[in-house]
Amino acid sequence: NAGVTQTPKFQVLKTGQSMTLQCAQDMNHEYMSWYRQDPGMGLRLIHYSVGAGITDQGEVPNGYNVSRSTTEDFPLRLLSAAPSQTSVYFCASRGLMNTEAFFGQGTRLTVV
Amino acid sequence: TQLLEQSPQFLSIQEGENLTVYCNSSSVFSSLQWYRQEPGEGPVLLVTVVTGGEVKKLKRLTFQFGDARKDSSLHITAAQPGDTGLYLCAVVFGAGSYQLTFGKGTKLSVIP
Repeated sequence: NAGVTQTPKFQVLKTGQSMTLQCAQDMNHEYMSWYRQDPGMGLRLIHYSVGAGITDQGEVPNGYNVSRSTTEDFPLRLLSAAPSQTSVYFCASRGLMNTEAFFGQGTRLTVV
Repeated sequence: TQLLEQSPQFLSIQEGENLTVYCNSSSVFSSLQWYRQEPGEGPVLLVTVVTGGEVKKLKRLTFQFGDARKDSSLHITAAQPGDTGLYLCAVVFGAGSYQLTFGKGTKLSVIP
């Protein structure tokens, strides 16, 4: 049972480059979300989705786009990477009637 | 802005000692969760508390939900090096919301 799978695990980007962080879950969860984790800042919500075709902004959405074309996948796109986006990114999923969140292993992104 | 405060931010203790970490807010919650995050991994759910005054035990870990459902504590008895990690509390603020908001966490180091 794979749970939540994130790829890649590590990535280095140059300022201005774009990339997509992939997230897939196999638990048929309606709710998916992206967080970034920075030292001393905890987990901050970037974007979330309550189902296919439905997305909304979290606490720190600027510089990121998301889409949800299927229940399983919720990719996060960085449009033009900036050093301030250096962070560890986590994807999480859960059922709408169950608040337990399942997390991927994270993507460590460095923007130089 | 709703705030979930965790204390202490850092805690370093010797193996065998007891410790308590706290999660506080000025808001009332319908439920509260505790997660543990190990280095290089995503957070993993430890427990969910839903009733004011509730106490739950998970081996050497004891979780308590405040009577007014505004705060919670996690007590670890006879800490072991395997307890080392980041302890996060999380809540869903507001009726009808699905967003899980995390505290900044308590980073625990248990020294052998």
